[in-house]
Amino acid sequence: ETGVTQTPRHLVMGMTNKKSLKCEQHLGHNAMYWYKQSAKKPLELMFVYSLEERVENNSVPSRFSPECPNSSHLFLHLHTLQPEDSALYLCASSQQHRGLGTYGYTFGSGTRLTVV
Amino acid sequence: AQSVTQLDSHVSVSEGTPVLLRCNYSSSYSPSLFWYVQHPNKGLQLLLKYTSAATLVKGINGFEAEFKKSETSFHLTKPSAHMSDAAEYFCVVSDSTGFQKLVFGTGTRLLVSP
Repeated sequence: ETGVTQTPRHLVMGMTNKKSLKCEQHLGHNAMYWYKQSAKKPLELMFVYSLEERVENNSVPSRFSPECPNSSHLFLHLHTLQPEDSALYLCASSQQHRGLGTYGYTFGSGTRLTVV
Repeated sequence: AQSVTQLDSHVSVSEGTPVLLRCNYSSSYSPSLFWYVQHPNKGLQLLLKYTSAATLVKGINGFEAEFKKSETSFHLTKPSAHMSDAAEYFCVVSDSTGFQKLVFGTGTRLLVSP
């Protein structure tokens, strides 16, 4: 375990389903991230949260809805997804020091999502 | 805007021979650079990072990378490949302003044959 735990590891869902991905970090970090890894494409940053506040949303469709109830937990709520949303979704956390940079960037093992 | 280019999508080596994975970066200021490794069905593991200290950076599992500003390169090397090195490798450049947004290359798949 890297200190960032993602569940479930695998998820198959239909296009009309609603599901959620969960990420938990045990490192005391103050920032959390969602990335999408599709086949043959670079990792794409989706969302950034700092101290439970969303600070970045990289033009992600509204069918993806993040939630950060506290600094240790991050969710990605999914509804009415499309087959092209099938990918590996990676969570990461880091410690951001104002004016000094970001340290300890750590990734989870990811959730492999298949939309059918 | 920052970017990285990984020059090879696949690299094949024999066990015991040297490994070279190439990466060129583009950045408007002094970047932070990283190499990550991803084994099948696993997350990303940090191999090494460069943050404006020594230009030759040593990482885990015998990997090294050298930062060459004049060539805008950050190639990853290992003297002798092991079967367990077979994986996908990502070169990454960091935006150090504000939050550390990592910009990933497209990856190089390393294949190691006996």
